[in-house]
Amino acid sequence: DGGITQSPKYLFRKEGQNVTLSCEQNLNHDAMYWYRQDPGQGLRLIYYSQIVNDFQKGDIAEGYSVSREKKESFPLTVTSAQKNPTAFYLCASMGETGGFGDYGYTFGSGTRLTVV
Amino acid sequence: AQSVSQHNHHVILSEAASLELGCNYSYGGTVNLFWYVQYPGQHLQLLLKYFSGDPLVKGIKGFEAEFIKSKFSFNLRKPSVQWSDTAEYFCAVNTGGFKTIFGAGTRLFVKA
Repeated sequence: DGGITQSPKYLFRKEGQNVTLSCEQNLNHDAMYWYRQDPGQGLRLIYYSQIVNDFQKGDIAEGYSVSREKKESFPLTVTSAQKNPTAFYLCASMGETGGFGDYGYTFGSGTRLTVV
Repeated sequence: AQSVSQHNHHVILSEAASLELGCNYSYGGTVNLFWYVQYPGQHLQLLLKYFSGDPLVKGIKGFEAEFIKSKFSFNLRKPSVQWSDTAEYFCAVNTGGFKTIFGAGTRLFVKA
């Protein structure tokens, strides 16, 4: 079945450490996204990538970095510069259907990051 | 800046009650509108979407939403909720590019 796989499901990080969250998709989608979900704030866009080797900052990119070396993969690194990294992180992809813009997302199951 | 507002952060209903969740957006041009749902412990998934045509859109599990352009609204409705509808609901707007803006979400709790 096609979909998005995020790993790990739970991640604990010590203060001052960088951690990388994995996101892989087999949907052949061009566009991929990272969102952060906090209670009462909805989903806030961290980074997105429309094509391989290109990515753009979202609304809350500070303290995060990404790469897009392959179409299937869009890993997110949470650096020590991120002041409040404890959150639920969602990866998504978007494709087109039937020649028309679908603009609907497919989401992964998320990674819950906790700083200890 | 484009934004999406969901009026209620928490809603509590009894089974069989009618549901309406409000969603307003701020953008004057053409929009694509979505409602996503996140059931406890599950992925976010698409509930319904509007691109063009009939402003009353029907989605999965008996949900529907009405696009009212003059009010910049896309409210979600269901005539009779069930306990299994307990979830968090997100309204989202895409203005034709690669970015989608999400509302803050509404947590719905349905009492059995």
